[in-house]
Amino acid sequence: DAGITQSPRYKITETGRQVTLMCHQTWSHSYMFWYRQDLGHGLRLIYYSAAADITDKGEVPDGYVVSRSKTENFPLTLESATRSQTSVYFCASIQWGAPNYGYTFGSGTRLTVV
Amino acid sequence: AQKITQTQPGMFVQEKEAVTLDCTYDTSDQSYGLFWYKQPSSGEMIFLIYQGSYDEQNATEGRYSLNFQKARKSANLVISASQLGDSAMYFCAMTTGGGNKLTFGTGTQLKVEL
Repeated sequence: DAGITQSPRYKITETGRQVTLMCHQTWSHSYMFWYRQDLGHGLRLIYYSAAADITDKGEVPDGYVVSRSKTENFPLTLESATRSQTSVYFCASIQWGAPNYGYTFGSGTRLTVV
Repeated sequence: AQKITQTQPGMFVQEKEAVTLDCTYDTSDQSYGLFWYKQPSSGEMIFLIYQGSYDEQNATEGRYSLNFQKARKSANLVISASQLGDSAMYFCAMTTGGGNKLTFGTGTQLKVEL
């Protein structure tokens, strides 16, 4: 099916380990985003990308790394996971110039750092 | 910097009644976009409705309408004829200045009762 696919859906990792969350979209949308959702904070932007090889920091980028070598993929890496990074992570995309269609979100990855 | 405020952490409504979810925003930009998303207990983010700052008419999508009051900087979501399936978390969000970064409010948990 077309859309945004996130993997894994659930992940448990230990403090200090590196973990990568995957995001793949099939629409060739130019913009892609990573958000984290925590109780009381809504969704907060971690990183975003305007196109392949163009990425920029959002509101809460510390401890995260992104890359975008291909338009369709936007992986998020936690270099050394900490308990404070336990959260639900959402990937999203939108085509530039088409806000009325809304941002499309993946199903989310629930990450637990123990 | 832009900010979204949702002051109702939780709300109850009777089935078939209309309900208004409040959202106020703060930005110095003249060009901005306002969005509402629904997040059911299953966790996915569902796009409901979009309003551009230069749109003269209030946006409507089926049972959803956005009550846009520019001078008051409010963008309330009105759900008509509530259904049990409307029980969910609702997020107001915005983009500003022609950019594409979505800023979210903290959400309102809506419960529809028989």
